[in-house]
Amino acid sequence: DAGVIQSPRHEVTEMGQEVTLRCKPISGHDYLFWYRQTMMRGLELLIYFNNNVPIDDSGMPEDRFSAKMPNASFSTLKIQPSEPRDSAVYFCASSLAVIRLTDTQYFGPGTRLTVL
Amino acid sequence: DQQVKQNSPSLSVQEGRISILNCDYTNSMFDYFLWYKKYPAEGPTFLISISSIKDKNEDGRFTVFLNKSAKHLSLHIVPSQPGDSAVYFCAANLSGNTPLVFGKGTRLSVIA
Repeated sequence: DAGVIQSPRHEVTEMGQEVTLRCKPISGHDYLFWYRQTMMRGLELLIYFNNNVPIDDSGMPEDRFSAKMPNASFSTLKIQPSEPRDSAVYFCASSLAVIRLTDTQYFGPGTRLTVL
Repeated sequence: DQQVKQNSPSLSVQEGRISILNCDYTNSMFDYFLWYKKYPAEGPTFLISISSIKDKNEDGRFTVFLNKSAKHLSLHIVPSQPGDSAVYFCAANLSGNTPLVFGKGTRLSVIA
């Protein structure tokens, strides 16, 4: 299996522009997570999906952030409009349907976003 | 408010010696703990975990210790190798279907 795939790997954009990050989870995994990593806050959970349905989006910082999962093999995280403080590494992770969400999550390589 | 705290942003250890990474948590309801390892330009990967019913779990060179009364866990790496140089994240979970809470990470440098 190719693992969790994220694109793009790097994104540089100007303040005010729309940014879309993409994720393909591991085939057969029922949970998908979006995280953001910054020096100040570490690894924060933004939102997660179960069977394509958003379960908890309380970590989404503002209305400028939105996430969708139109099918089991694809998810997007959109920031509109982007701001310099959104600069971070964004990770997507997936895991099998299990009793507890503690079971191993597999992370993608991340997208490094820089907003100028 | 950080529920999972890794108070040392970085740690430097000589090759062959023991590395000890520490993690504190505030929520006494956490009952499962994990360590993830992250290399540059890669996503975190699962390393080792421990349930709150245990106080130690060992996997090769890696051992995690849990002290529930102190709300503290630690990861021991013996012997440390240069390939262990990475950022280590501590994570915790409440019972039931709730997501992981991660610490900010500790950057370990193992010097040859």
